[in-house]
This record gives sequence, C-alpha cells and structure tokens, in this order.
Amino acid sequence: ILNVEQSPQSLHVQEGDSTNFTCSFPSSNFYALHWYRWETAKSPEALFVMTLNGDEKKKGRISATLNTKEGYSYLYIKGSQPEDSATYLCAFTNNAGNMLTFGGGTRLMVKP
Amino acid sequence: DTAVSQTPKYLVTQMGNDKSIKCEQNLGHDTMYWYKQDSKKFLKIMFSYNNKELIINETVPNRFSPKSPDKAHLNLHINSLELGDSAVYFCASSRVGTAANYGYTFGSGTRLTVV
Repeated sequence: ILNVEQSPQSLHVQEGDSTNFTCSFPSSNFYALHWYRWETAKSPEALFVMTLNGDEKKKGRISATLNTKEGYSYLYIKGSQPEDSATYLCAFTNNAGNMLTFGGGTRLMVKP
Repeated sequence: DTAVSQTPKYLVTQMGNDKSIKCEQNLGHDTMYWYKQDSKKFLKIMFSYNNKELIINETVPNRFSPKSPDKAHLNLHINSLELGDSAVYFCASSRVGTAANYGYTFGSGTRLTVV
C-alpha cells in the first residue's frame, strides 16, 4: 500500500495571501508526482506532472517543487484569489504504468 | 464536447437494488478507471481496464462488476446495494502507458446515495 499524505487538510486564507501546502510520498521507486486542482462539483484537472528531483513547475501564480530523495512536493500559490478556492490533490506513481495513488487533498478557501 | 462523461450525475436508490453507472470517453484513450471517493475524501482505485481487459482489481466487493463493451466505455454495475456504498464514484481515462507522465482525464463524478 502506497502512502500519499497531504497537509494541511484544509486552509483558509485572505485574498492576496500567499500560501503553500505539502504532499509526502514514498521516496523509494519514485516515477512521477502529479498535482490536480479540483473545484466543487467539477472534475479534477491536471496542474503539473513532475518526474525529476529538483523539478520546479509554474502556471501563473501557482508553482510546485519536487524533492524525490526525501519524498515531498510543495504547491505554492502567490497572491491567492477567491477563484483559487478548490481542493488540491497530489498523486504518486512508482512505475511507468497507469495507476496513480492519490493523497487526501488540501481544501483551500480564499476569502475576499 | 465532454471528454469523459458519466451518467447519472446523481443516483438515489434503496438498499438491495441493483444499479449501473455509465462512463464514456471520446479522447481515444485506451485505459479507463473507476475510483471511489471514500468518507475521508480519498480517491481510491477500484478497477482499471486497458483495451477492454481488466488490469487492476483492487479489494472491492464482488457486488461491483465493471463492464467494458469497447475501449471508449467502462460501466460500473453494483448488485445488492448497501448503505456503505454511498459515495462519489469517478471515472477517468488515460492513454495506455502514459498515465504516469500525463495523468488522467476525469469525469465529473456520480454521487450515489443508498437509503
């Protein structure tokens, strides 16, 4: 059983605050780490896929880093906006195959 | 055009009934999945099909039977529904061998409530 944990479970921030949250995963047999953004009543949407230790990815105000040696990834949101409110999921895979193991998500709520 | 579509979106049914949830993808993907969002909001893999063949079957009661008539469809049939089956079920798809690099495309989920 692969353990993928995310913290915190939920987070309330004010508009304009920057924030970050963590995904931890097994550091052995790493293949890829994914981040998804999941708005209520919609489908999870892919944000980033990272495969190399030290990878950094950026999309607008959202960025992610990867440390495969210690088994964690951070997701950062700069200058949070109410439309950033969503659940952010990470997913891990230890091989080139098809199955992703998901963490429990961090639910972000941004207050105007 | 919805890429991965699930029907119905909501399903309320009585204990003991048999029900099906349908999933269709128009992306030309070869692999399809069913995930269950459990009470702690985790997405847990149930089944994975590749070109109509079962490749992953996690510990799921045998009341749950997936059916893949072709590679664009993966339906989930549930017999003798129990209260504990209440959850949101997500279908997803990926191109074979690429999920690790490109991830999944998800459907919007089916909220099943057993009363």
